Amino acid sequence: DVKVTQSLRYLVKRTGEKVFLECVQDMDHENMFWYRQDPGLGLRLIYFSYDVKMKEKGDIPEGYSVSREKKERFSLILESASTNQTSMYLCASSLGGANEKLFFGSGTQLSVL
Amino acid sequence: AQTVTQSQPEMSVQEAETVTLSCTYDTSESDYYLFWYKQPPSRQMILVIRQEAYKQQNATENRFSVNFQKAAKSFSLKISDSQLGDAAMYFCAYRWNNAGNMLTFGGGTRLMVKP
Repeated sequence: DVKVTQSLRYLVKRTGEKVFLECVQDMDHENMFWYRQDPGLGLRLIYFSYDVKMKEKGDIPEGYSVSREKKERFSLILESASTNQTSMYLCASSLGGANEKLFFGSGTQLSVL
Repeated sequence: AQTVTQSQPEMSVQEAETVTLSCTYDTSESDYYLFWYKQPPSRQMILVIRQEAYKQQNATENRFSVNFQKAAKSFSLKISDSQLGDAAMYFCAYRWNNAGNMLTFGGGTRLMVKP
């Protein structure tokens, strides 16, 4: 089975701190995605990547950046965390192509105080 | 831009009964997929069912079936013989086939199952 790992289940940070959220997949998937999940808003796409060192903005990229130096790893970076970035962050991956199944990690609940 | 709307923030159903979760979407495209995902308390998103827009026949997976009304842009999920393990958040999602593998999600419906 494909495994998408987000090692931190919960994370608490202070306003202004830099935050790294890491996602690792073990099935050589080309595509990787970062979503944030908020009550009533569902999941919204922050950034995605189709290949190593490639990144594309999603619907809500402001305040975030990403890094994909290795195929299996996709990091989400909050340069200066703010309270409105308190949310659940979900990573997903899939093979290349339009019809491939998405596999999700189990999320990191980030609280910014 | 595509939008997906789930008008029921919460639903409840008695164990063994049937419940229908609603979803509407807005798109000008004709080639797309629709999905229902389940998110239990473990947070792991699980694909429940998917429907290709060009297929008129409604998709079915065991106790889960959809009512896909393309002209009305409606995509409801019916859960028959509800079980306690069906309690979860359910998300409806849309994917345009020319947009890579990016999904647009609705706001979610929390389903509670009463014993």
